[in-house]
Amino acid sequence: SQQGEEDPQALSIQEGENATMNCSYKTSINNLQWYRQNSGRGLVHLILIRSNEREKHSGRLRVTLDTSKKSSSLLITASRAADTASYFCATDDTDKLIFGTGTRLQVFP
Amino acid sequence: DTEVTQTPKHLVMGMTNKKSLKCEQHMGHRAMYWYKQKAKKPPELMFVYSYEKLSINESVPSRFSPECPNSSLLNLHLHALQPEDSALYLCASSQDLVTDTQYFGPGTRLTVL
Repeated sequence: SQQGEEDPQALSIQEGENATMNCSYKTSINNLQWYRQNSGRGLVHLILIRSNEREKHSGRLRVTLDTSKKSSSLLITASRAADTASYFCATDDTDKLIFGTGTRLQVFP
Repeated sequence: DTEVTQTPKHLVMGMTNKKSLKCEQHMGHRAMYWYKQKAKKPPELMFVYSYEKLSINESVPSRFSPECPNSSLLNLHLHALQPEDSALYLCASSQDLVTDTQYFGPGTRLTVL
């Protein structure tokens, strides 16, 4: 399977703490995306990082990409209860997106 | 308008029923997708339409039949489903390339009895 692996599978933190989740993938990519999914709902695009970029920021989100290690990380700073969700990385595979296994983040007030 | 809408939100059907899921977007996107998602799993691609033509069928059983009547609409026709087909069905669209940012609808929660 070309599916990306994410770790940890689940993460519980307190509000105000930072959350880091990692994604590893298997094939060469053009870009990598991160999506958030609240329970039982559709996915929301968070950020896209291209293969020639090493780091990207969007608000409280920071994404890094290391193509030599075929890995990416998503950092959420100063987390809020509203950040509770599942987070998926997605890599491009020729003509489709392949989603990683996901990290379930729980942020306690 | 960056919204993808899906109807119905919930659907319960028997194994002999025929039903349809509908998806609509008005962002002028030319690629549309159907995904299936089981609990605590990532979305799995089922079909891709590009410029209203079916471009990818991920070996989906024929009891699922997609249709793209026009560039804004995507249907998924269901017939003779199995209980294991119960899942969240997500529709998505993107500007053009399949690997562009995808915009997802809220999904249809399907239960097959």
